[in-house]
Amino acid sequence: AQSVTQPDIHITVSEGASLELRCNYSYGATPYLFWYVQSPGQGLQLLLKYFSGDTLVQGIKGFEAEFKRSQSSFNLRKPSVHWSDAAEYFCAVGKNNLFFGTGTRLTVIP
Amino acid sequence: GAVVSQHPSRVICKSGTSVKIECRSLDFQATTMFWYRQFPKKSLMLMATSNEGSKATYEQGVEKDKFLINHASLTLSTLTVTSAHPEDSSFYICSAGLTESNTIYFGEGSWLTVV
Repeated sequence: AQSVTQPDIHITVSEGASLELRCNYSYGATPYLFWYVQSPGQGLQLLLKYFSGDTLVQGIKGFEAEFKRSQSSFNLRKPSVHWSDAAEYFCAVGKNNLFFGTGTRLTVIP
Repeated sequence: GAVVSQHPSRVICKSGTSVKIECRSLDFQATTMFWYRQFPKKSLMLMATSNEGSKATYEQGVEKDKFLINHASLTLSTLTVTSAHPEDSSFYICSAGLTESNTIYFGEGSWLTVV
């Protein structure tokens, strides 16, 4: 069965600090993996996606994610967080219809 | 680029009434669209798969008579919440895929409040 686990419900980081959001998945075939960001009251914005090839994927807003098949993980990283990055982040797996994790809320403190 | 648009973005309706939400693929044809629901502070859950020209496929636990889905054209799918109740208040969002680029596009979402 397909599933996505985001173990961290809420993370707080200082502006300028590095960030890593964890995502583990369970999927029967080669997964398509996504990270979306949702600001309060807004829809979903795609940060990056992985289908195949290079396991380190670059996305928008300075985010990157690394696919590790052996760990069934697709963690999202950013070297230096900005206050505007505060939002809810969702990891998802699937090809057409997606299975979402429960999300990680990121708070950025000055 | 490809865009999926939803309308309305916010709607308030009275209990017992029905409300329709539209999902449009603006510059591509989508034979399949997906409807998700997000409860407050929760993740998104797939409600149903909307198939152009045929019946929608509903996920387990989703009432098909409550959430009517119509996909009458290759660019439009509608979700109608019938006889709405306050517990139907939620964020509803649709998506459609662009096969050529293996990209899934989401609409802006629709906030439904039933009073």
